[in-house]
Amino acid sequence: DIVMTQTPLSSPVTLGQPASISCRSSQSLVHSDGNTYLSWLQQRPGQPPRLLIYKISNRFSGVPDRFSGSGAGTDFTLKISRVEAEDVGVYYCMQATQSITFGQGTRLEIK
Amino acid sequence: EVQLLESGGGLVQPGGSLRLSCAASGFTFSSYAMSWVRQAPGKGLEWVSAISGSGGSTYYADSVKGRFTISRDNSKNTLYLQMNSLRAEDTAVYYCAKGDCSGGSCPRGYYGMDVWGQGTTVTVSS
Repeated sequence: DIVMTQTPLSSPVTLGQPASISCRSSQSLVHSDGNTYLSWLQQRPGQPPRLLIYKISNRFSGVPDRFSGSGAGTDFTLKISRVEAEDVGVYYCMQATQSITFGQGTRLEIK
Repeated sequence: EVQLLESGGGLVQPGGSLRLSCAASGFTFSSYAMSWVRQAPGKGLEWVSAISGSGGSTYYADSVKGRFTISRDNSKNTLYLQMNSLRAEDTAVYYCAKGDCSGGSCPRGYYGMDVWGQGTTVTVSS
């Protein structure tokens, strides 16, 4: 199985400041069809997961443009340009190139 | 609007059985693969099982293989998860999730997801 490793596991951020979460995969996520199936999910407290970003950098419907994704191969990053109170929660990276596996989650909290 | 509504969770004794359902609406159900993902209390996400749009292909995590069975009724727009021989470690919130590509546009064996239900809680305890 592909192992997904996120850093940091906890990220205290000041409102209005940027935040960044990294995700590394144990092997390349480039699929044989040329796509890289790396997604980012947000889980607010008491809520189900919600898709934010798919195929590295594409924002899902309704996702604010302060969220952006980047990366390639085995290294990926989720950035929030200016953190808002509603962004508090746990963020997961997820790969769907080979089966599906998730990172351990990064807890975003307000300082 | 895509909606997924899980039901069927509850308290069950170790060794018991439970069947979860996921009622789907707002999209052409038969065109999309569907998955079950679970989250143990205070833990992360674990992909449990998936099924193709037609129901002809299925996937199971090693942790549930031989005990859980995924199925779907496209005439009822409903996904199921039959869980047998339940163990304490199966205690979790179970989410159903919709596949993110339809029909022939999906790579073989691909089960990416885009919309998740609210979840149903399964507790295995004596």
